[in-house]
Amino acid sequence: DAGVTQSPTHLIKTRGQQVTLRCSPKSGHDTVSWYQQALGQGPQFIFQYYEEEERQRGNFPDRFSGHQFPNYSSELNVNALLLGDSALYLCASSAPYNEQFFGPGTRLTVL
Amino acid sequence: ELKVEQNPLFLSMQEGKNYTIYCNYSTTSDRLYWYRQDPGKSLESLFVLLSNGAVKQEGRLMASLDTKARLSTLHITAAVHDLSATYFCAVDWSSGTYKYIFGTGTRLKVLA
Repeated sequence: DAGVTQSPTHLIKTRGQQVTLRCSPKSGHDTVSWYQQALGQGPQFIFQYYEEEERQRGNFPDRFSGHQFPNYSSELNVNALLLGDSALYLCASSAPYNEQFFGPGTRLTVL
Repeated sequence: ELKVEQNPLFLSMQEGKNYTIYCNYSTTSDRLYWYRQDPGKSLESLFVLLSNGAVKQEGRLMASLDTKARLSTLHITAAVHDLSATYFCAVDWSSGTYKYIFGTGTRLKVLA
């Protein structure tokens, strides 16, 4: 049984560009959460999707948006990239009322 | 706003020694998680603590939760080099929401 998968593994963008990151949840999981982890920091909650809707949101600007598809996979979109958006982006999935399992992450570098 | 604080932030210890990492949080929650992260890698789940007084042990690591004191500890017994990593605690923002608030992390280095 595959765990949480994310793509791509690494990504390099320039300031002002837009980026889309993808996540496939663990089998049987219907909830997907996204976290941003800057270098040397703990992960910060961006938002959570359930039943194709954003259910919770952290303290991130509207430049960060997402989507969940009927198969429970999810995308994270970031517009107008800033240098400060450089980070490891982690996706986590969970089944109802159960702990989250984290994917391997996407390392985004903004130049 | 829920805040989660860990101490120490950095810990350098000799092999064979014992030490404790502390995780304090600022609001009521009865779900706390401990993770390990190796450099450049994702988060590996270590312990899930779901009630007051919960204690779990795996190898040289033992975690406990005191929800009344809003405190969790991760105790390391007879440290070995392989335990060198960054350890995070995370608290569920509100029981059942699964919005995790992470601590600052404790970077552990075990010296041979």
